[in-house]
Amino acid sequence: KQEVTQIPAALSVPEGENLVLNCSFTDSAIYNLQWFRQDPGKGLTSLLLIQSSQREQTSGRLNASLDKSSGRSTLYIAASQPGDSATYLCAVSSGSARQLTFGSGTQLTVLP
Amino acid sequence: ETGVTQTPRHLVMGMTNKKSLKCEQHLGHNAMYWYKQSAKKPLELMFVYNFKEQTENNSVPSRFSPECPNSSHLFLHLHTLQPEDSALYLCASSQDRGYNSPLHFGNGTRLTVT
Repeated sequence: KQEVTQIPAALSVPEGENLVLNCSFTDSAIYNLQWFRQDPGKGLTSLLLIQSSQREQTSGRLNASLDKSSGRSTLYIAASQPGDSATYLCAVSSGSARQLTFGSGTQLTVLP
Repeated sequence: ETGVTQTPRHLVMGMTNKKSLKCEQHLGHNAMYWYKQSAKKPLELMFVYNFKEQTENNSVPSRFSPECPNSSHLFLHLHTLQPEDSALYLCASSQDRGYNSPLHFGNGTRLTVT
C-alpha cells in the first residue's frame, strides 16, 4: 500500500527566503507525482505534475523535482512571499487503478 | 472562479436528516471524483466516475450515495450520517481517469453532523 509522507508538518520563514518542501513515498512504481496548494477553507489548486519519466517541472518561482528510485520529491519555492502562505500537498499516482495517494501536507507561513 | 463549483459551501445536519451535495464542472472533463478531507488526515478518495459510470468505490459506507447524471454534474446523497462524518467534502474533475492530467478541485462543502 502506497504511503506518502511530508516533512515538516509546518514551516515558518521570513519573506524573501528560498525554501524546500519534502515529500517521500514508499512504492517507487508511480505514474506521476503532483503538488497542490490549499488555502484555508478552500479546495486544492494544482501547481505541478511530474510524469514518472521526468526529473523536474518548473512554473514561475516553483520547481519540483522527482527521484523515483529513492521515493522522493522536493518542491523548491524561490524568493518566498506572504502570498505563498498555504498548505502544500503532494500526491502520487500508483497501483492498477492509478489512484492518487495524498500526504498530510506542509503548512507554510511566510512572514512579511 | 475555479471551474468546479460546489454547493452548499456549509451544511449542518442532524443524524436523521437527508441532504445532498452538488458539484458542477465547466471544464469539459470526463472524470469526476469525491474526496473527504478530515482534520489532521490525508485526503481520502471516495468515488470516481468516468463518462458518467462509477469506476471506483473506496469501501465507502452506504450512507453515502453518489449520483452522476452526466459528465458535468456529480451529487453526493447523505442519509443517517454519524458525527465522525463531519469533514470537508471536495469534488474534483480531470480530463481523463488515468490521473495523467491535473485534478481541478472545487472549494468544498464543510459538513457538520450534529
